[in-house]
Amino acid sequence: KQEVTQIPAALSVPEGENLVLNCSFTDSAIYNLQWFRQDPGKGLTSLLLIQSSQREQTSGRLNASLDKSSGRSTLYIAASQPGDSATYLCAVYTGANSKLTFGKGITLSVRP
Amino acid sequence: DAGVTQSPTHLIKTRGQQVTLRCSPKSGHDTVSWYQQALGQGPQFIFQYYEEEERQRGNFPDRFSGHQFPNYSSELNVNALLLGDSALYLCASSFGGGAGPLNSPLHFGNGTRLTVT
Repeated sequence: KQEVTQIPAALSVPEGENLVLNCSFTDSAIYNLQWFRQDPGKGLTSLLLIQSSQREQTSGRLNASLDKSSGRSTLYIAASQPGDSATYLCAVYTGANSKLTFGKGITLSVRP
Repeated sequence: DAGVTQSPTHLIKTRGQQVTLRCSPKSGHDTVSWYQQALGQGPQFIFQYYEEEERQRGNFPDRFSGHQFPNYSSELNVNALLLGDSALYLCASSFGGGAGPLNSPLHFGNGTRLTVT
């Protein structure tokens, strides 16, 4: 059974800091991994999708890497801003039953 | 280009009642998946609909059922509501049925917040 872990559950950093959010998964047989952002009480916004054959994806100040063999992914946020405050969730897709398996998320607070 | 839309945004029901939630997929998408997100947890997969049939199902009881219409929109029905059904219910759309988000990101709506008292 696939399990996705995100530690720590919460993180508080000063504005301008570069930071790394970690995600680990137990079954390396994945098709892809997605990082999502969720604002309080809202739905999920897809940030980056990494296919299993890829090592990383970049979008603006965000960079996500994938090490499938070790079951790890990281989301790097450069020059953090207060507007980046949200919960960040990673999810893996194994294709076996068409579902995404999510972690519990990391709640990020960027202090002005 | 309209994204995934869900209605209603909030709903309050009493234990034992029944509820219906609605979802319209993103334009061009034909597959709808439903997820339940309890407070402080990641979303949990309920089921997926493609070609008007339930294709995959997560670990949820038969009280949870759904439907997909010819225009690809979908409904989630929950019978005999329990307090533990209180959650944010998220609809996600994609293209291609069983392929799921194989080649493209899954698009989520803003969800329906269900409170069972």
